[in-house]
Amino acid sequence: NAGVTQTPKFRILKIGQSMTLQCTQDMNHNYMYWYRQDPGMGLKLIYYSVGAGITDKGEVPNGYNVSRSTTEDFPLRLELAAPSQTSVYFCASSYVGSSGYGYTFGSGTRLTVV
Amino acid sequence: QQQVKQSPQSLIVQKGGISIINCAYENTAFDYFPWYQQFPGKGPALLIAIRPDVSEKKEGRFTISFNKSAKQFSLHIMDSQPGDSATYFCAASIYTSYDKVIFGPGTSLSVIP
Repeated sequence: NAGVTQTPKFRILKIGQSMTLQCTQDMNHNYMYWYRQDPGMGLKLIYYSVGAGITDKGEVPNGYNVSRSTTEDFPLRLELAAPSQTSVYFCASSYVGSSGYGYTFGSGTRLTVV
Repeated sequence: QQQVKQSPQSLIVQKGGISIINCAYENTAFDYFPWYQQFPGKGPALLIAIRPDVSEKKEGRFTISFNKSAKQFSLHIMDSQPGDSATYFCAASIYTSYDKVIFGPGTSLSVIP
């Protein structure tokens, strides 16, 4: 099993550019999440999804959009990149909607906005 | 009330020593406390977790100690090994909730030979 796969691993964007961070899981997990990780700040939830067609905002959703057309894929869209979006982005999934089962994280996408 | 504090920010331990990382939370509704381990270039991975009905949980060399009255919990790594060198995140959440996992800022652990 590949688990949670994120692409790309690294990306440099110019201010105002757009991009999509891809996330795919092959574990048939219904629940998927996007986090950003900033130095010394822990992980902040951006968006999450409880199933195909259902998404909701997390703690820091501004500047991002998501969609969930299939169980496997949960892409994160940045429309107008800003330096404040420089971060490492992690996608995660879980089998049930309970944090008690733990999350499976991808390896992350390191994004730099210049 | 949603914050999880974690200390120290970084830790250097000799091989064979004990590594101790401390966390504190404020929201008394939290009832699940996992620890995640993250190696460079990788995503966090669930290491061990505890619920407030017990004061300690041990899995191999890793032990969580939990103090409900003080709203604190800690990770102890016994006989620390160089392979344990990683960043450790504590977290707190409501067990039945999928969106309210609050992570601490992380501790970078280096175990030197």
